[in-house]
Amino acid sequence: EVQLVESGGGLLQPGRSVRLSCAASGFTFGDYGMHWVRQGPGKGLEWVSGITWNSGTIGYADSVKGRFTISRDNAKNSLYLQMNSLRAEDTAFYYCAKDISVDSNTLYYLDYWGQGTQVTVSS
Amino acid sequence: EVVMTQSPATLSVSPGERATLSCRASQSVYSNLAWYQHRPGQAPRLLIYGASTRATGIPARFSGTRSGTEFTLTISSLRSEDFAVYYCQHYNSWPPLTFGGGTRVEIK
Repeated sequence: EVQLVESGGGLLQPGRSVRLSCAASGFTFGDYGMHWVRQGPGKGLEWVSGITWNSGTIGYADSVKGRFTISRDNAKNSLYLQMNSLRAEDTAFYYCAKDISVDSNTLYYLDYWGQGTQVTVSS
Repeated sequence: EVVMTQSPATLSVSPGERATLSCRASQSVYSNLAWYQHRPGQAPRLLIYGASTRATGIPARFSGTRSGTEFTLTISSLRSEDFAVYYCQHYNSWPPLTFGGGTRVEIK
């Protein structure tokens, strides 16, 4: 059974940093692309960042480019999101999600999602 | 960048009735479109990919169609567990990955 478990969220002050983690199990993590997707209060789903299986191609939403960094450790079956220079508008529930792409340099759609972790940015 | 526009924003439907949700792409994405269901407090769930192929375990009452840049998700007979928010997402080119704004299906 595929499982994705996010951690690392919390209440943070504007300008601070935090690293989210996603522990994956139930599939060969190193073969698949992965994403972070968020949902702000009262808003829809917003894609944040994606990374291919070998970290060869990485993409970011314009809203986080230059502030957030996605990474993965295939040996540890883990996905990360380093979030710097946090803003109030980064307040959201952050989901880790698995892409269907296998050993590919592009990403497609998301077939499994975690339960998410809440990040609140407020002074 | 392709913009995905979903309509209506909210759809009020009685249990047992049909629900028809629309998603329009600002340019061709061919059939590279997925639909997701998001219930409150739960992880989003993949329903449809390739515009019309149901994902594993998705009931037959969910169906997807494409006409040019217009996509439709139909739920043939709504059950209580189907009241949720539905999102479309194109995957014709990445990055970025683009979701529509969502359609909330609520009980009438």
